[in-house]
Amino acid sequence: DTGVSQDPRHKITKRGQNVTFRCDPISEHNRLYWYRQTLGQGPEFLTYFQNEAQLEKSRLLSDRFSAERPKGSFSTLEIQRTEQGDSAMYLCASRLKGTSGRGPPYNEQFFGPGTRLTVL
Amino acid sequence: AQKITQTQPGMFVQEKEAVTLDCTYDTSDQSYGLFWYKQPSSGEMIFLIYQGSYDEQNATEGRYSLNFQKARKSANLVISASQLGDSAMYFCAMREFGGGADGLTFGKGTHLIIQP
Repeated sequence: DTGVSQDPRHKITKRGQNVTFRCDPISEHNRLYWYRQTLGQGPEFLTYFQNEAQLEKSRLLSDRFSAERPKGSFSTLEIQRTEQGDSAMYLCASRLKGTSGRGPPYNEQFFGPGTRLTVL
Repeated sequence: AQKITQTQPGMFVQEKEAVTLDCTYDTSDQSYGLFWYKQPSSGEMIFLIYQGSYDEQNATEGRYSLNFQKARKSANLVISASQLGDSAMYFCAMREFGGGADGLTFGKGTHLIIQP
């Protein structure tokens, strides 16, 4: 399987604990994205990386959240001091952004299966 | 203000009928892209179809077509000959190409149920 993978698929934790999620993108994709999806809503953008550089962070990404992509391959999303409001599906996506010219104009994002976080 | 509005929280459609899922968007950018994704109960987002703001023709991908009306800022998804496997959540999303931002903005989705 060469799609986007995420680990774990499910995580149950107690309020106040730290959690870390991992995302492995499609191997040749240089951009990696994190989204959060709460029940009954569409995904909300959190942050994205171009290779190892974090280029954009949304206002949803509070200081309890940190994301890394140290070698430009897999990425981790850590949530410190979890709160019940952090309960959500955390989705990772990747795509190939062309480096010369425009290339294919859109290069859709390919999503992983998500990590469902439940904070008790 | 909502950038993507999907006004149909849920829809029931008979198998083999065509179905239109509504999406309106709000942007001041001249260059943007509109996407439709399908999310089955398994949770994975599946890309269906794309329409660029400068594309002159409506996009089509198999049974999916996009009814793009730029002046009205609408990008409705049309599924022809619906199948039971089409039952899922459907999300409209937009990416604005100006300003360097690269995340997708999603609507709240439409829950489509195909009945036999």
